[in-house]
Amino acid sequence: KQEVTQIPAALSVPEGENLVLNCSFTDSAIYNLQWFRQDPGKGLTSLLLIQSSQREQTSGRLNASLDKSSGRSTLYIAASQPGDSATYLCAVRPVDSSYKLIFGSGTRLLVRP
Amino acid sequence: DTGVSQDPRHKITKRGQNVTFRCDPISEHNRLYWYRQTLGQGPEFLTYFQNEAQLEKSRLLSDRFSAERPKGSFSTLEIQRTEQGDSAMYLCASSSGTDYGYTFGSGTRLTVV
Repeated sequence: KQEVTQIPAALSVPEGENLVLNCSFTDSAIYNLQWFRQDPGKGLTSLLLIQSSQREQTSGRLNASLDKSSGRSTLYIAASQPGDSATYLCAVRPVDSSYKLIFGSGTRLLVRP
Repeated sequence: DTGVSQDPRHKITKRGQNVTFRCDPISEHNRLYWYRQTLGQGPEFLTYFQNEAQLEKSRLLSDRFSAERPKGSFSTLEIQRTEQGDSAMYLCASSSGTDYGYTFGSGTRLTVV
């Protein structure tokens, strides 16, 4: 059974710091991995989608990497800003149940001015 | 098309009442998904439609829950005889296929009192 774990559960950093959020998954048989952002009480906003054949994806200050064989992904946020404060969720799309995403519990990020 | 729309945004209901939520996916997406999210957790899969066919249902979806997607367009999720344990955020998402990411709506926050 695929399980997704995100560490740390919460993170507080001063503005301007570069930071890394971690995601691990137990079964490497995935189609892709997607990172989302969720603001309190709101829906999910897609940040980056990495296909299983890819190593990384970049969008602005965000860079996500994928090491499928070791079951790990990282989300790197450069020069963090208070507006980056949110919960970040990673989700994998398993090969054996490709209709659904399996989510981690998220990392709650607070960027202090 | 501005994305996935969900209605209502918030719903407060008394225990035992029936509630219905609506989701309008991105028009060119043939796949539609419902997820449920409780506080501090990642979303959990409930059910999946490809066009108008409901292809998969989670064990989380008890017989009090029913979902439809008539004509492969919008979808409704109905909860009958609501219980306090049904209080959660109900999220709808759509996609074009396995290689494509999910687009989520803003969710419907249900509170059962």
